[in-house]
Amino acid sequence: ETGVTQSPTHLIKTRGQQVTLRCSSQSGHNTVSWYQQALGQGPQFIFQYYREEENGRGNFPPRFSGLQFPNYSSELNVNALELDDSALYLCASSWEGRQEAFFGQGTRLTVV
Amino acid sequence: KNEVEQSPQNLTAQEGEFITINCSYSVGISALHWLQQHPGGGIVSLFMLSSGKKKHGRLIATINIQEKHSSLHITASHPRDSAVYICAAPYSGGGADGLTFGKGTHLIIQP
Repeated sequence: ETGVTQSPTHLIKTRGQQVTLRCSSQSGHNTVSWYQQALGQGPQFIFQYYREEENGRGNFPPRFSGLQFPNYSSELNVNALELDDSALYLCASSWEGRQEAFFGQGTRLTVV
Repeated sequence: KNEVEQSPQNLTAQEGEFITINCSYSVGISALHWLQQHPGGGIVSLFMLSSGKKKHGRLIATINIQEKHSSLHITASHPRDSAVYICAAPYSGGGADGLTFGKGTHLIIQP
């Protein structure tokens, strides 16, 4: 049990739609990172939020955006869904200055 | 961006064998992560290490910062060790950013 909860666990959306995935971090963890894991691949870094501001970004287009809230929850929003967005989306939380990360179970997104 | 390479990609062994998984990275880092992922997706952090060696039960992780290389060893392997093992390093080598992951080693331990 990592204390990081993601919802929903599974989701099916249609190409062109928008989706919001949610992550509830451990209390006190002010840093959250989001990752995309395509089938058979390692996770890819999407972006990181620190104290409610985007703090770093991987090679993902602007239609991937996020929010972090004061209550240690965060969201990943994806607009104009494409078939290739089908993947497992993972969030990981940590406390500033400490690189140990706690992962959620992930949200499996299928775009049809 | 840090490049993380793992080997082997797939490994099948018999119960009781000593297992070694290797990881190399391209940019100097302050710490490296070893993670375990079971079918269904959940990731568990096994180790975070910045130097030397760490041991937890039958798992041992070592890192050589100068050579940019780390290994994960499993002693007396058991079928319940079957999982994907992933090493991960800071995306840009350090600082407050995310992780770059290797593609993982799919380990199967046969009874």
